[in-house]
Amino acid sequence: AQKITQTQPGMFVQEKEAVTLDCTYDTSDPSYGLFWYKQPSSGEMIFLIYQGSYDQQNATEGRYSLNFQKARKSANLVISASQLGDSAMYFCAMREGNSGSASKIIFGSGTRLSIRP
Amino acid sequence: NAGVTQTPKFQVLKTGQSMTLQCAQDMNHEYMSWYRQDPGMGLRLIHYSVGAGITDQGEVPNGYNVSRSTTEDFPLRLLSAAPSQTSVYFCASSYGGPLRYGYTFGSGTRLTVV
Repeated sequence: AQKITQTQPGMFVQEKEAVTLDCTYDTSDPSYGLFWYKQPSSGEMIFLIYQGSYDQQNATEGRYSLNFQKARKSANLVISASQLGDSAMYFCAMREGNSGSASKIIFGSGTRLSIRP
Repeated sequence: NAGVTQTPKFQVLKTGQSMTLQCAQDMNHEYMSWYRQDPGMGLRLIHYSVGAGITDQGEVPNGYNVSRSTTEDFPLRLLSAAPSQTSVYFCASSYGGPLRYGYTFGSGTRLTVV
């Protein structure tokens, strides 16, 4: 069964520092996709970045990058040069490639990131 | 381009009442899902659908029904509301096929059962 684990309930980081949010996953499907979403205090879910299990390179999107370590089953989100607007809840999520599960995305419990000025 | 539209945004129900949360998307997405998010927690999958006429249960389906008569609409029915169903409900949709398509979320419905 697929599972996502985020072990950091909350983090405080100084503005302009880099921050790493941890995510580990478990699946027996060799084909899967990993996602990170941001949820600010306003409540909407914002897609940040995607990594496929067969992708050769780590995904990057602006200040966001994904440290993908397949053998360790980890997909940590790295935010460079953090900004006050990065304060939010961050969720790691996974979608399996098996045809029976491809329509489901499951989420971790989230990490609340707070940026200090 | 409205994306995923959820109505209502807020709702207060009395225990035992029933209601339907509406969800519509205009992106011709095959996949649609309902999640609930309890305070300080992640999203838990209630029900999902891979296309019109096809639905399946997620992690926490008890007390909820769904149907998918059209590609666009995926309503969630609370049969007999209980205080434990107080939560924020998100509807989401996605293209089928390649895994890189994540879900697009609606803005949520905040439900309180008293």
